[in-house]
Amino acid sequence: EDKVVQSPLSLVVHEGDTVTLNCSYEVTNFRSLLWYKQEKKAPTFLFMLTSSGIEKKSGRLSSILDKKELFSILNITATQTGDSAVYLCAARAAGTYKYIFGTGTRLKVLA
Amino acid sequence: DVKVTQSSRYLVKRTGEKVFLECVQDMDHENMFWYRQDPGLGLRLIYFSYDVKMKEKGDIPEGYSVSREKKERFSLILESASTNQTSMYLCASSPTSDVRNNGDEQFFGPGTRLTVL
Repeated sequence: EDKVVQSPLSLVVHEGDTVTLNCSYEVTNFRSLLWYKQEKKAPTFLFMLTSSGIEKKSGRLSSILDKKELFSILNITATQTGDSAVYLCAARAAGTYKYIFGTGTRLKVLA
Repeated sequence: DVKVTQSSRYLVKRTGEKVFLECVQDMDHENMFWYRQDPGLGLRLIYFSYDVKMKEKGDIPEGYSVSREKKERFSLILESASTNQTSMYLCASSPTSDVRNNGDEQFFGPGTRLTVL
């Protein structure tokens, strides 16, 4: 059965800290892995990864995929209180429109 | 600006009622999805649709049905609401995708928090 597992489940840090969120996946015929940020309402898209070893960056956020070890990490440097959210990871298999989501990591950044 | 809207943010219904949740997207996307989100369980796919009048069951379709009569609108129907259907319901859409162009991104609506008493 296809699955996506995120760790840790929750994390509390102070402003300025760097955090690493983990996402491991087991998906038959893997196509892509996506990261989303969810605050009070709709998840918003952060990154899509398809190739191993190629880092995607957006400001203080970056992400990388390891297709051999079947995981991805999301890094946030110099965290701010506005980074407090649930971070979701989802994997998609080729030949399907289904996305398999992890349960998310709840990040709280304290001032 | 890309937009997915859902008919209600909050909804309270009684057990046994028929419930309609509406979702509309203005991006001309082919694919639309209904998820429910529960603490500790993440997002679980109920149904999705890849074209008008086409639908496929997701992981937890029991107790739900869907309707897609127009490309922009995807409705989720709870035939006879039960307390275990109390949840946050999220609608999403995506284009028929080319993975080279970030085509796998899903765009989410704001969610409907449904309480069944």
